[in-house]
Amino acid sequence: DAGVTQSPTHLIKTRGQQVTLRCSPKSGHDTVSWYQQALGQGPQFIFQYYEEEERQRGNFPDRFSGHQFPNYSSELNVNALLLGDSALYLCASSTAYREDTEAFFGQGTRLTVV
Amino acid sequence: AQTVTQSQPEMSVQEAETVTLSCTYDTSENNYYLFWYKQPPSRQMILVIRQEAYKQQNATENRFSVNFQKAAKSFSLKISDSQLGDTAMYFCAFGAPWTGTASKLTFGTGTRLQVTL
Repeated sequence: DAGVTQSPTHLIKTRGQQVTLRCSPKSGHDTVSWYQQALGQGPQFIFQYYEEEERQRGNFPDRFSGHQFPNYSSELNVNALLLGDSALYLCASSTAYREDTEAFFGQGTRLTVV
Repeated sequence: AQTVTQSQPEMSVQEAETVTLSCTYDTSENNYYLFWYKQPPSRQMILVIRQEAYKQQNATENRFSVNFQKAAKSFSLKISDSQLGDTAMYFCAFGAPWTGTASKLTFGTGTRLQVTL
């Protein structure tokens, strides 16, 4: 079992550009959550996808959007990049209807906006 | 909204000694979960230990144990027999069940733990 995989591992973009990050959940998991972790901070919840729909959303602007595919993999899209979007983006997978399930995290994508 | 506070930005402990990391939280929920995650330099978050709020017994996982005080909204992590491999950032996290979906997690700002020889 490969666990949660994210791609790419590192990315450098210019202000104003758009970026897409990808996540494949752990085998058997159907829910994907995305987190933003700024340097020296704890992760902050962006949104969660289940059954190809956004189920919960944190306090992030509409520039942050996502998608979930039938195979449960997910993408995070960020439009009109700002310098403040530079962070580690973490994907976590889990199982819906299991409130106590452990969330498994990927190794993250380090996004740098210049 | 829930908040999680970790008041110790950095801590240091000698190998084989015991260290306690502090965490407090604020919530109006009655049913929730608390977690300690470890984030080594590899960046991957690894679950260390989990506590269900409805359970009075403190969770333990080998060298890791928690002191859960629900009334005080306190959730500290004790690491016994510290090992060099325990060196990492430790995050306290809160999760409240959301009907039909998995919990979203609210994290604290973390405690950097350094284990020394």
